[in-house]
Amino acid sequence: EPEVTQTPSHQVTQMGQEVILRCVPISNHLYFYWYRQILGQKVEFLVSFYNNEISEKSEIFDDQFSVERPDGSNFTLKIRSTKLEDSAMYFCASSQLAVLNEQFFGPGTRLTVL
Amino acid sequence: QKEVEQNSGPLSVPEGAIASLNCTYSDRGSQSFFWYRQYSGKSPELIMSIYSNGDKEDGRFTAQLNKASQYVSLLIRDSQPSDSATYLCAVNRGRGTYKYIFGTGTRLKVLA
Repeated sequence: EPEVTQTPSHQVTQMGQEVILRCVPISNHLYFYWYRQILGQKVEFLVSFYNNEISEKSEIFDDQFSVERPDGSNFTLKIRSTKLEDSAMYFCASSQLAVLNEQFFGPGTRLTVL
Repeated sequence: QKEVEQNSGPLSVPEGAIASLNCTYSDRGSQSFFWYRQYSGKSPELIMSIYSNGDKEDGRFTAQLNKASQYVSLLIRDSQPSDSATYLCAVNRGRGTYKYIFGTGTRLKVLA
């Protein structure tokens, strides 16, 4: 069964460093998402991406964040200058459709900012 | 008022019993509703989606939607210890937005 994959599973970085989190969505899916979950808190939407552009973003997704689909399979989230409060699980998700869609989540990347 | 509300639990049920998980949402125009299961340290795993009023059954799981009451529930029949997890309710408002809004989740414990 096709699934969303993410790398790395765990990333440790120093405050102020740039990180890139990688995702490979399900191959016939057209809509891609990033969510995050701070430990003990709820899953929060960051950004959605369709047709090579951002379709929607949350207040969390400020200028420090960017997304890219560099080739036909990868979808990346970049955080330019990490802060302590960026420590969280980051989940990539994908869906085939936008409306009445089911989003399938990858296993996540645990980001630890020291 | 929170956009999606769930009782955090824990909800404890004996093995073989029916577990009933509830979720309310604030936006009356919301169109799509989803239940995810999340084991500790893992990612959300889709269990059910429901889009219209009424019941939807899939194996031991039944999702129920009542848009007039802004209420969605998940019933788990014949609960097993492996069902012990946090159950997340997610809502999509539709109308041009594709994001899910998640509740904080209800922790379910199935006692052997």
